[in-house]
Order: sequence, then structure tokens, then C-alpha cells
Amino acid sequence: KQEVTQIPAALSVPEGENLVLNCSFTDSAIYNLQWFRQDPGKGLTSLLLIQSSQREQTSGRLNASLDKSSGRSTLYIAASQPGDSATYLCAGQMNRDDKIIFGKGTRLHILP
Amino acid sequence: DVKVTQSSRYLVKRTGEKVFLECVQDMDHENMFWYRQDPGLGLRLIYFSYDVKMKEKGDIPEGYSVSREKKERFSLILESASTNQTSMYLCASRVYPQPQHFGDGTRLSIL
Repeated sequence: KQEVTQIPAALSVPEGENLVLNCSFTDSAIYNLQWFRQDPGKGLTSLLLIQSSQREQTSGRLNASLDKSSGRSTLYIAASQPGDSATYLCAGQMNRDDKIIFGKGTRLHILP
Repeated sequence: DVKVTQSSRYLVKRTGEKVFLECVQDMDHENMFWYRQDPGLGLRLIYFSYDVKMKEKGDIPEGYSVSREKKERFSLILESASTNQTSMYLCASRVYPQPQHFGDGTRLSIL
């Protein structure tokens, strides 16, 4: 059974720094992996989706990587801003019609 | 842009009541999902639907049912609300291979 883990649960970083959020999964036969952002009291917003055949995806200051052999994904945020403060969740899917399994998220606080 | 609308942001109900949570999407997505989110437990899938009148149980379906009479609308029903169903409820829709789009959630309190 696939499990998705995000460590640490919370992280504080000074504004302007580059940072990396980590996600690990137990089954390397993953179909795709997604990163979401959730602001307090709101729903989830999709940031990046990496298919199993891909190694990374980029959107603006965000870069997500996928290493199936090691069971890891990272979300890199460049030049962090206070507006990046939110909870970031990763989620894995084992095949097209399978449910998505979410990690519990990393709560990120960018210090002004 | 995809819009997923949940009928209420906040809802307060009493134990034993029948509660309806409504979700509407405007992009003709086949797949729709209901999750609940609790501190320390993350998101858990309650039910999902691949098409009109189709439904599949997720990880925690007990105490819930769903209805999908039209493609754009997916309703979550708490048959007899209990205090342990106090939670944040999130609806999502999807068309493969795009990611899921989420509504803003309904924070439900059962007194």
C-alpha cells in the first residue's frame, strides 16, 4: 500500500532564501506525483504534476523533481516571498484510475 | 478556468440531523471526489464518482452517502450527523490527465 510522507511538518525560512520541501513515497511504481498548495481555510490549488516518465516540472519560481528509484520528490522554491507562506502537500497516484494518496503537508512560513 | 463551488463555507448542524453538502463544477469533468480534512490525519477520501449515477467508496465511507444525478453536481449526505463528523469537507473534480481542482471547502460543525 502506497504511503506518502512529508517531513518536516513545519518550516520557517527568511524571505529571499531558496528552499526545498521533501516528499517520500513507499512504492516506486508511482504513476504520477503532484504538489498542491493550501492557504488557511481554503481548498487545494494544484502547483505541479509530474508523470512517471518525467523527472521534473517547472512553473515560475517552482521546480518539482521526481526520483522513483529512491522514492522521493522535492519541491524547490526560489527566492521565497511572504506570499509563499502556506501548507504544501504532495500526493501520489499509482495508476490512472486509482485514488490519490496525500501526504499530511509541510506548513511553510516565510519570515519577512 | 475551472471552478468548483461548494454551497456553504460554514455550516452548523445538530446531532442526528440529515445534512447535505453540495458541490458543483463548471467544466464537464467526469470525475468528482469528496474528502474530509482533519488536523493530524490529512485528507481522507470519502467517496468518488467517475460518471453520472456512478459512485465508489473511498477510505472512510461509513456514515456518508453520495448522489450524482447530474454530471456537474456531486452531493455528500450525512445520514444522521454525529459529532465525530465535525470536519473540513473538500470537493474536487478532474478530467484525466489534468490534476484535481478543489473547491474552497465547507467547515462543518456538528453540535
